[in-house]
Amino acid sequence: NAGVTQTPKFRVLKTGQSMTLLCAQDMNHEYMYWYRQDPGMGLRLIHYSVGEGTTAKGEVPDGYNVSRLKKQNFLLGLESAAPSQTSVYFCASSYTWDRGQSKNIQYFGAGTRLSVL
Amino acid sequence: GENVEQHPSTLSVQEGDSAVIKCTYSDSASNYFPWYKQELGKRPQLIIDIRSNVGEKKDQRIAVTLNKTAKHFSLHITETQPEDSAVYFCAATLPWGKSTFGDGTTLTVKP
Repeated sequence: NAGVTQTPKFRVLKTGQSMTLLCAQDMNHEYMYWYRQDPGMGLRLIHYSVGEGTTAKGEVPDGYNVSRLKKQNFLLGLESAAPSQTSVYFCASSYTWDRGQSKNIQYFGAGTRLSVL
Repeated sequence: GENVEQHPSTLSVQEGDSAVIKCTYSDSASNYFPWYKQELGKRPQLIIDIRSNVGEKKDQRIAVTLNKTAKHFSLHITETQPEDSAVYFCAATLPWGKSTFGDGTTLTVKP
């Protein structure tokens, strides 16, 4: 049981390049999230998904796109990277219901450190 | 949308002292309030959580209190140890799973 796995762990991009971050979870969780974490700031929600085939915008969605084609995978895309997107990106997943009660403990991946030059 | 404020941003205590971190939230629909600990270079990990139908929860040296009327909740760590040094985040979660995090508190426990 690997939990939440993010790839890659590190990446350096040039301005204007594109890339996709992959998040995979093996806990059969319904919900998945992408956050960015900048120094001195908390975790800011980029996009999230409440189930396979569905996505929604979070607090800071501009410049990012996501897809959830399979329940276990949540992809984050940067179409044209900008220096402002230099950050640490965390993926998380969570349950929804457990014995009639909502349960939203989020389990985080190890993070992807992205630098855009 | 939901807004979570967390105070203080930094906290330094002597080993053995207590530490208290406070958060306020704005959306009365939030019903689940987890606290995460993040060590340097690591992922956030849940340390304790509380639901809106509970006023207090304790787990060994850590406890969380919730005041729904005032929309604030607090983390209490007693008998602090150097390994408690980390960044702590509070979060307020809506019933459909969306969480808003505070900006974090850097706790330093001096031996």
